[in-house]
Amino acid sequence: GAGVSQSPRYKVAKRGQDVALRCDPISGHVSLFWYQQALGQGPEFLTYFQNEAQLDKSGLPSDRFFAERPEGSVSTLKIQRTQQEDSAVYLCASSLAGQPAGYTFGSGTRLTVV
Amino acid sequence: GNSVTQMEGPVTLSEEAFLTINCTYTATGYPSLFWYVQYPGEGLQLLLKATKADDKGSNKGFEATYRKETTSFHLEKGSVQVSDSAVYFCALRANAGGTSYGKLTFGQGTILTVHP
Repeated sequence: GAGVSQSPRYKVAKRGQDVALRCDPISGHVSLFWYQQALGQGPEFLTYFQNEAQLDKSGLPSDRFFAERPEGSVSTLKIQRTQQEDSAVYLCASSLAGQPAGYTFGSGTRLTVV
Repeated sequence: GNSVTQMEGPVTLSEEAFLTINCTYTATGYPSLFWYVQYPGEGLQLLLKATKADDKGSNKGFEATYRKETTSFHLEKGSVQVSDSAVYFCALRANAGGTSYGKLTFGQGTILTVHP
């Protein structure tokens, strides 16, 4: 497609449940980022991929968060044993070469943990 | 570490009013600075950017000047329209070595509502 596609758009999870969030970047985009945006806050960096290599995962808040991009295209962000503080919008962005001027953001997945 | 601080919101204006949204930053070295806009139900979009001191970014009537002496990148528009209603984010990318690869640090966002 023409843009970055994220699914699902909305996800409600019970506390303790595992969730998987999907990001389909623009075809050919080498760089892929995940950000977490809490209500009323700006996005915060979670992790970065260059092709299939996860080069930076310093922003992942705990070992319950795991991201992968096995074929250098689609990426999945997995959250195990969800907690209420995980409630946020999860944004994916891709670009040709990691330059913010070339970022395209998806519309995000809004996760609500109840 | 790096940080971005935006003026408190929300901001409510009448159409054709002058807009200023303040943004200041803390960073080592010489960061690149950005303004992103998020319209309801849509993803973040780059509005404008500046990569070095005294650069002025502009787009769609919006402007921001990179002021290193005051570590600021305030967003301005001379005459806002209803269609400008959105959330505006100031952001920086640190240019410290080869590991920056485009990771952004965002401010908390400012909600702008423009009434007819």
